[in-house]
This record gives sequence, structure tokens and C-alpha cells, in this order.
Amino acid sequence: DVKVTQSSRYLVKRTGEKVFLECVQDMDHENMFWYRQDPGLGLRLIYFSYDVKMKEKGDIPEGYSVSREKKERFSLILESASTNQTSMYLCASSMYGTGYGYTFGSGTRLTVV
Amino acid sequence: AQSVAQPEDQVNVAEGNPLTVKCTYSVSGNPYLFWYVQYPNRGLQFLLKYITGDNLVKGSYGFEAEFNKSQTSFHLKKPSALVSDSALYFCAVRVRNRDDKIIFGKGTRLHILP
Repeated sequence: DVKVTQSSRYLVKRTGEKVFLECVQDMDHENMFWYRQDPGLGLRLIYFSYDVKMKEKGDIPEGYSVSREKKERFSLILESASTNQTSMYLCASSMYGTGYGYTFGSGTRLTVV
Repeated sequence: AQSVAQPEDQVNVAEGNPLTVKCTYSVSGNPYLFWYVQYPNRGLQFLLKYITGDNLVKGSYGFEAEFNKSQTSFHLKKPSALVSDSALYFCAVRVRNRDDKIIFGKGTRLHILP
């Protein structure tokens, strides 16, 4: 069964901490994405990557960075966590080509206190 | 600009009744359209997609959706709702260019009443 795995389901961090959210896919997908989901705002794209060592900013990249050193792994980094980054974070991957949908991970619910 | 609209934040349906969750889109060119479902504290799961061909698309769990090009709509339907269908539903469109991003609607919460 193909999957996207996010390392943590629930995470609690303190303000100012550096936070790493890890995402691994086993489908040899080229594309990977990080979203955050907040009530009433839907899914908002933070960063995405079409290839190893490649990254592009999404709609809300401020306060975040990403790393893609290997094809299967896409990490989201909160450089200095703040309370307004409390959210559900979703990772997704897809094959290259516009006919394909995304496969999502189960999500990480991050609380910054 | 490309966009997807789900006009209803919430839809309530009695169990056994037919359900419809509405979606309209605005993109340049021909769209690829998707529906996803999200259960509490879970990621999004793929339900169905329209790429080309028959306008009526059948998907998982008895859901179907009809692509209507003239009305730029892609409504999700099911003939007989189950309580277990209660979840958050997202419509999405993929734009035909080198940028492979999917644009998501804000979601519609479906409540099936026993």
C-alpha cells in the first residue's frame, strides 16, 4: 500500500523553538508539497518541490523553510516557532503530470505554546 | 485568476436521502477536477477525479460527480447518504501548465443526520 508518512501525529513545542516536520513518501513521486490547514481558511500552500534540492515558495512561506535532500523526503522547518503557527500541517506528493492527484499524509497537529 | 468555490460551508442531510455537495471552478483552459474527503484528525483521501471523457465520474464509497463544462461545476453526489459519510469534503482543480499545483476549495462539512 503506497503511502505518505508524516513523522508525528501530534506535537507540542515552545515559542522560539526550531521545529522540524518530516514527510517521507514511498511512491517515487517527483512532486512534494506542504500545506497548513486552519478552520475557515481551507488548505494553504507553504512550500513545494518538483525535484531533489529544488524548492519553491507557496502562498504563505513566511516563517518556514524546507529541505529536500532526497527524493523521498521533504522536511518543513519552522525557524522560530510562534503561536500563530499552531495548525494542522499536511504533506502531499504526486507524480509529475497534471492528470495526477495528490496523496496526502495523515497530518501533524502542531501546538506552539 | 484560477479558483475553486464551494458555496456551502456546511450541508445537512438525513440518512438515506440523496446528497449533493456543490463545487464551481474558474480556470483558463480545460481543468482536471478532484474531490477529496477528510475525516477528523486525518489527512485528505482521494475520492474521484475527472480528466476527460464521460462527464459522470464514479468514485469511492458510492460517490459520483458530474462535470458540467457550461456551468463550470463539478458537484459531488450520492444517491443514499450514510452517517459514516459525515466528513469534510474538498473540491480541487489542477491547472494545465508546467506548474503542477492543485488549487483547493475551502471545504464543505457534510453532516448526515441519523
